[in-house]
Amino acid sequence: DTGVSQDPRHKITKRGQNVTFRCDPISEHNRLYWYRQTLGQGPEFLTYFQNEAQLEKSRLLSDRFSAERPKGSFSTLEIQRTEQGDSAMYLCASSLESGRDSYNEQFFGPGTRLTVL
Amino acid sequence: AQRVTQPEKLLSVFKGAPVELKCNYSYSGSPELFWYVQYSRQRLQLLLRHISRESIKGFTADLNKGETSFHLKKPFAQEEDSAMYYCALFSGGYNKLIFGAGTRLAVHP
Repeated sequence: DTGVSQDPRHKITKRGQNVTFRCDPISEHNRLYWYRQTLGQGPEFLTYFQNEAQLEKSRLLSDRFSAERPKGSFSTLEIQRTEQGDSAMYLCASSLESGRDSYNEQFFGPGTRLTVL
Repeated sequence: AQRVTQPEKLLSVFKGAPVELKCNYSYSGSPELFWYVQYSRQRLQLLLRHISRESIKGFTADLNKGETSFHLKKPFAQEEDSAMYYCALFSGGYNKLIFGAGTRLAVHP
């Protein structure tokens, strides 16, 4: 296990198409996060899983976005009816919980760069 | 509102010069702050966190609650320090990191 992996690394799609991204976290990590990063900005939180439960969703995550982590391992992020404004880098991160409110280092994947034409 | 501000998009210095990357935050409560770094063609990685109070790669950062700042400093910059640096705030109640927009540090020979 060499860290968090994401697939694909790049995706080009036409407006209106659906896309799905996959994230494989570090194997023993029970927390998984999705962030979005647009040009010139830092990553913005989208959603967070603890094991298979999706515990938090940002208002950035419109109804066209859905994320799953069915077995508490890998996660998928689907965007339906893509829009040009969805073009961004989608980052996945994972961490191992050691306390409810304490920070546990989030390890980031390389990201999936989405371009919507 | 919880917010992290990095006022400089680009900081350009010569090798051996001191570096200070600015970060200000807005948070009600006791903040946990971090610096993340992204080198060219590499993934985002943690550089340091304020509670550890350690120096990593010669960088230090001190939390100043009075000024709500967490500036990153290094006395003598090296070319290999060239990267994007992001200041981040941990929002414990929501288990998320809030990032600033980032500062690109360019160290010239």
